[in-house]
Amino acid sequence: EAQVTQNPRYLITVTGKKLTVTCSQNMNHEYMSWYRQDPGLGLRQIYYSMNVEVTDKGDVPEGYKVSRKEKRNFPLILESPSPNQTSLYFCASSNRDQETQYFGPGTRLLVL
Amino acid sequence: SQKIEQNSEALNIQEGKTATLTCNYTNYSPAYLQWYRQDPGRGPVFLLLIRENEKEKRKERLKVTFDTTLKQSLFHITASQPADSATYLCALDTGNAGNMLTFGGGTRLMVKP
Repeated sequence: EAQVTQNPRYLITVTGKKLTVTCSQNMNHEYMSWYRQDPGLGLRQIYYSMNVEVTDKGDVPEGYKVSRKEKRNFPLILESPSPNQTSLYFCASSNRDQETQYFGPGTRLLVL
Repeated sequence: SQKIEQNSEALNIQEGKTATLTCNYTNYSPAYLQWYRQDPGRGPVFLLLIRENEKEKRKERLKVTFDTTLKQSLFHITASQPADSATYLCALDTGNAGNMLTFGGGTRLMVKP
């Protein structure tokens, strides 16, 4: 089954404790991206990657890092999480033309 | 500033009627526009894409129009059903190299039996 998986699905952490949210896709897609979704602000792009070793900032990259060492994986790293990063995070992937993005199930993060 | 606006209030309609959702944008010239469905607590699901040179696109009970002069897209669901109740998001290609997708805030649709 074609899918995007994210782990963990739920995470409660404390300020400053580094964490990684993993994202994996099994569709051999070149393009992957991370979004956060907040009430009243909608979906906002954090980072995206056009291919292996090619990443770039989206609209709200501050406080986040990404890497794309393999085509299927695109982890999101929060080096020093803060409460304002409490949000619902989605990973997405698509083929080169980006005409259809497939979203993961989401990771709900709470930073205390 | 660049904006993508969707009806922020919920749209309530009766089963069997046609639902029409609006997506307006300013200061963009997108090559295409997409519509997604999102259920509570779940990731968005792609529904339709319409390109700048297309006026209308259909898929089963769904119809999308795209007016680049008005900078507006309309999303129609005909013969609506309670199962169509969800939040619908529009998204525009906003990157210089087609590498960014910017989403509107979404419209929540409630179809009552």
